[in-house]
Amino acid sequence: EVQLVESGGGLVQPGGSLRLSCAASGFTFSSYDMHWVRQGTGKGLEWVSGVGVDGDPYYPDSAQGRFIISRENAKNSVYLQMNSLRAGDTAVYYCVRSYGMDVWGQGTTVTVSS
Amino acid sequence: DIQMTQSPSSLSASVGDRVTITCRASQGIRNDLGWYQQKPGKVPNRLIYAASTLHSGVPSRFSGSGFGTEFTLTISSLQPEDFATYYCVQHHSYPPFFGGGTRVEIK
Repeated sequence: EVQLVESGGGLVQPGGSLRLSCAASGFTFSSYDMHWVRQGTGKGLEWVSGVGVDGDPYYPDSAQGRFIISRENAKNSVYLQMNSLRAGDTAVYYCVRSYGMDVWGQGTTVTVSS
Repeated sequence: DIQMTQSPSSLSASVGDRVTITCRASQGIRNDLGWYQQKPGKVPNRLIYAASTLHSGVPSRFSGSGFGTEFTLTISSLQPEDFATYYCVQHHSYPPFFGGGTRVEIK
């Protein structure tokens, strides 16, 4: 069964950091680009970052260097290092397979609050 | 960046109704578009990819059409389990961009 399992979410103070992890199983991880998509409470979906099969990262302009995506094929895992967190980063963060976004994890919740 | 404008933002419909949701791209994206259904508290599920191809296991009452800048998701006969929020997303070029969503409510 194809599965993505996120972890690492939690409560963090403004200005703090968190590292999200996504463990993949059931498919050849190294053959797929991987992405993070977030959703604030009551809001729509927003693409946060992506990493290609070759490890090249992709970010929206809004990331402004605060987020760093990486992958470790030996562990079938993708990571999102989030720095200088703001209240607006509060959301459920989903790990998503491929540019076509065909498989989604259950999500991990990040809350930025003092 | 390629923006996606989705309409309407919400609609009320009855079981059995035909429902149409539209997404417009700010520039041509060929058929690099997907449609997703999300129920409250749940993970988004892909319904359609490549603008018109039904994802495995999705009921045939769902269909997609369009190419270039105008795209449509149609539910031919709305069922009780279809009341949800629907999103389109373009993946023609980075950054992928989601439409604002359409909430389908019971009339």
